[in-house]
Amino acid sequence: GAGVSQTPSNKVTEKGKYVELRCDPISGHTALYWYRQSLGQGPEFLIYFQGTGAADDSGLPNDRFFAVRPEGSVSTLKIQRTERGDSAVYLCASSLSIDRGSDTQYFGPGTRLTVL
Amino acid sequence: GENVEQHPSTLSVQEGDSAVIKCTYSDSASNYFPWYKQELGKRPQLIIDIRSNVGEKKDQRIAVTLNKTAKHFSLHITETQPEDSAVYFCAASNPGGGNKLTFGTGTQLKVEL
Repeated sequence: GAGVSQTPSNKVTEKGKYVELRCDPISGHTALYWYRQSLGQGPEFLIYFQGTGAADDSGLPNDRFFAVRPEGSVSTLKIQRTERGDSAVYLCASSLSIDRGSDTQYFGPGTRLTVL
Repeated sequence: GENVEQHPSTLSVQEGDSAVIKCTYSDSASNYFPWYKQELGKRPQLIIDIRSNVGEKKDQRIAVTLNKTAKHFSLHITETQPEDSAVYFCAASNPGGGNKLTFGTGTQLKVEL
């Protein structure tokens, strides 16, 4: 079946602009995670959703970052007033649930964000 | 919060040799430890995982061992092949944290002919 998809694959924007990154999880997966991966580093957790609600947003770096998942499927990560330090690959992952045995996270291909 | 350390950062082996990557974690509540392989420009892909109720798991040429007392776990790849060349990440999570993954910094594995 279809895996996790993310759009766009690449996004170039100017400092100060607003961007939206989209994630389509695997159908039926209730848990959705956003991570950020800087060059040469492992992914770092940003936020996760269980259904429609943000269950843990402790990884969001500041209030310029916000994410939604209004219908419990597609999620959008929103970044306001982008800064050059926001440049990274933004990865989305989903899992069937957070229950043991169903919690394997499958990653999307990521969106490479470049802030000029 | 959880902290995961991974070593080595780079590893070069001859084709057919074994490769071992080691990770340590700090949070004793962590109970799930996946390993992901990431090729350049690609998404991380799960290759094997282990839960805290077992000490070892094997899948063909890949095995993972876990020592809960010492809080460390290792990835073992035997009979390495050129297509094993990639960056490997270990991670840890606990159910109390919604299974959010804390990743190590990665190991660049190069399998030379």
